[in-house]
Amino acid sequence: SYVLTQPPSVSVAPGQTARITCGGNTIGSKSVHWYQQRSGQAPLLVVYDDSVRPSGISERFSGSNSGNTATLSIIRVEAGDEADYYCQTWTSVDDVIFGGGTKLTVL
Amino acid sequence: QVQLVESGGGVVQPGRSLRLSCAASQFTLSSYAVHWVRQAPGKGLEWVTFISHDGSNKYYADSVKGRFTISRDNSKSTLYLQMNSLRAEDTAVYYCARGCRGDCHSGGPFDYWGQGTLVTVSP
Repeated sequence: SYVLTQPPSVSVAPGQTARITCGGNTIGSKSVHWYQQRSGQAPLLVVYDDSVRPSGISERFSGSNSGNTATLSIIRVEAGDEADYYCQTWTSVDDVIFGGGTKLTVL
Repeated sequence: QVQLVESGGGVVQPGRSLRLSCAASQFTLSSYAVHWVRQAPGKGLEWVTFISHDGSNKYYADSVKGRFTISRDNSKSTLYLQMNSLRAEDTAVYYCARGCRGDCHSGGPFDYWGQGTLVTVSP
C-alpha cells in the first residue's frame, strides 16, 4: 500500500522558516492536504490541494508538491505554530492515507 | 460557525459493540460527504470510513471492514458509526470530519473536524 513518509520532528527558531516534507512515490501526481494539530486539539486544515490556503489560515503557511516530495513551509515561525503536522492524500476510494506526522518545535 | 460534535464514546470490553454519533450544525449536512478518522493514544491519524452526501457510497479502511458501519440521517443532521467486534487496537479518539460537497470523491480534504470522542476497548 501507498506510504507517506514524514520526518518525526523539525525544530526551528522563532522568525525562521520551517519546512516539513512528505515523501511518497510520485506524490507530485496526487493532491496533498496538510493538517495542524496542536496538543489536545482536533486537527485543522492549513493547506489543501497541494498549495491552497483555506479561508482564515495565515499567509505564512504555503505548500508545494513535485516529484516524490510534498512540502509544507511556514515562514516567520511563531511559538503558536508549535504542533504536529500531518500530510494526507488518497490513492483509491478506500485508501485515504495520512503521513506519520511531524512534531514542529519552536526553539 | 460549522460545528461537529461527537458523542457515544466510552469503555467497552473486547468483542462488544458501540455506536458513535456526530451532530452537525451551522451547515447543511445533506450537501456534504463525511468521514470518521481516529487517533490512537500518542499516535498519528488514521482514516476509518467515508459516506457520501446522500449515503449511496460508503468506503472503509481494511482495518475495520466488516466490523464497522457508517450511516447518516440527514433529517437529523447526524452521522453514525456502528462499531462491532471491538478489539484493543480500536482504542482511539474518533473524530468526524467534513469532506467534499456534492458528488465527489473520498480523498478529502477534511475542512472541519469535531473535538472527538474517546473509545477505550479493555477487559
